[in-house]
Order: sequence, then C-alpha cells, then structure tokens
Amino acid sequence: QQQVKQSPQSLIVQKGGISIINCAYENTAFDYFPWYQQFPGKGPALLIAIRPDVSEKKEGRFTISFNKSAKQFSLHIMDSQPGDSATYFCAARYAGGTSYGKLTFGQGTILTVHP
Amino acid sequence: EADIYQTPRYLVIGTGKKITLECSQTMGHDKMYWYQQDPGMELHLIHYSYGVNSTEKGDLSSESTVSRIRTEHFPLTLESARPSHTSQYLCASASFSAGGYTFGSGTRLTVV
Repeated sequence: QQQVKQSPQSLIVQKGGISIINCAYENTAFDYFPWYQQFPGKGPALLIAIRPDVSEKKEGRFTISFNKSAKQFSLHIMDSQPGDSATYFCAARYAGGTSYGKLTFGQGTILTVHP
Repeated sequence: EADIYQTPRYLVIGTGKKITLECSQTMGHDKMYWYQQDPGMELHLIHYSYGVNSTEKGDLSSESTVSRIRTEHFPLTLESARPSHTSQYLCASASFSAGGYTFGSGTRLTVV
C-alpha cells in the first residue's frame, strides 16, 4: 500500500521559532521525497525535495532531514515567519512498475506563525 | 513563461449540468494528473496520463472522465454534476526526468 503519514495536522509557532513537520512511509519503492507549500486559493508549489541517498538537504531556512532506516523524513523551518503560514504536504514518488512517477501525498499540516 | 493553467478558477453550476474543467501546460510535460482536494486538505488522485491517448483512473473513484488528445491539454469532464462533486480540482504535470509536480491554481467547483 502506497501510504505516507504526516503529522501534526496543525501547528502554531511564534515568529522566529522552529516549525517541524514529520512524515513516515512504508513502501521502500519510493525514490524521491518532495515537500509542497500551499497558500489559500493556490495550488501546491514545490518547496524542497530530497533523494534517499542523502540524509539532509538545506535551502535557506528550510531543511529536510531523512532517515532511510526508519522510513521517516521531516521538514524544519528555521526562524519561522508569518509569511510561512500555509499548508504543507510531504510526498513520496513511486519508482516501480506501471505507477512510476506517481506521488503519494501526506495528509497536510496547517502551519500558523504568529507575529 | 512555462506554466500550467486551469480554467475556470471558480464555477457554480446546477445539478445535472455537464461541465468540463480545462487544464493546459506549456512545459511539454508527458505526465499529467488531476487531484481532488476537499476542505479537509488531503489531495486525492482521480486521474492521470503518461502521454497522448493514455489515461488511467487514480486512487479515488470518480464519476469524472478525462482525455489526452494533445500533450499540453488534459480536460476533465463531469457528464452530470451533483452536489457531491463540490470540491477543488487541481491539475498537475511533470516530465519523466523531473522529480516533482507543477500544479495549477485549481478550479473550485460548487454544484447547487
């Protein structure tokens, strides 16, 4: 079963704090793990992504930590800003067979950053 | 500028009407997808295509149909809209070499 479980469902952080969103997967056929950011009234936009041969990737204030043995990955937002308030989705890309390239999404996390 | 476009952005329509949601991309991507997203946030895959004349049903059963006659165009049709079809519909595309999807801004459909 292609599943990705995301937590928490919602997160409130003060400006300047660290936001952490976690995801866990079961299928070892996943080969690419992107995170998407979605603002109200917009489609999700690719934020940052990682491949399973890398344990960490950092882009500005956004960092993905990846634990292949535990089948877990997380998004860390350092120095969180009110403009980061959005819904965040983790995803995993299936690398096998006829479903190659399909993304399975987590359930989403609503992040609110208070000024 | 390469992008993916969805029209209309908002649509309110009566029960029983036939509707087509348009999705076009200018990136030459082979793969295109339709997702349904309810206020509960989750993205549910309802249709996908890996190229011209290729369409498959997704993980969530849907009464809608799709076609892929041209690489850049992937419309979704509901033959007879019902209130249960009220939702946001998101279109996305990707190339075989790229990792992630590019999403359109979505169509918010309300069936009354």
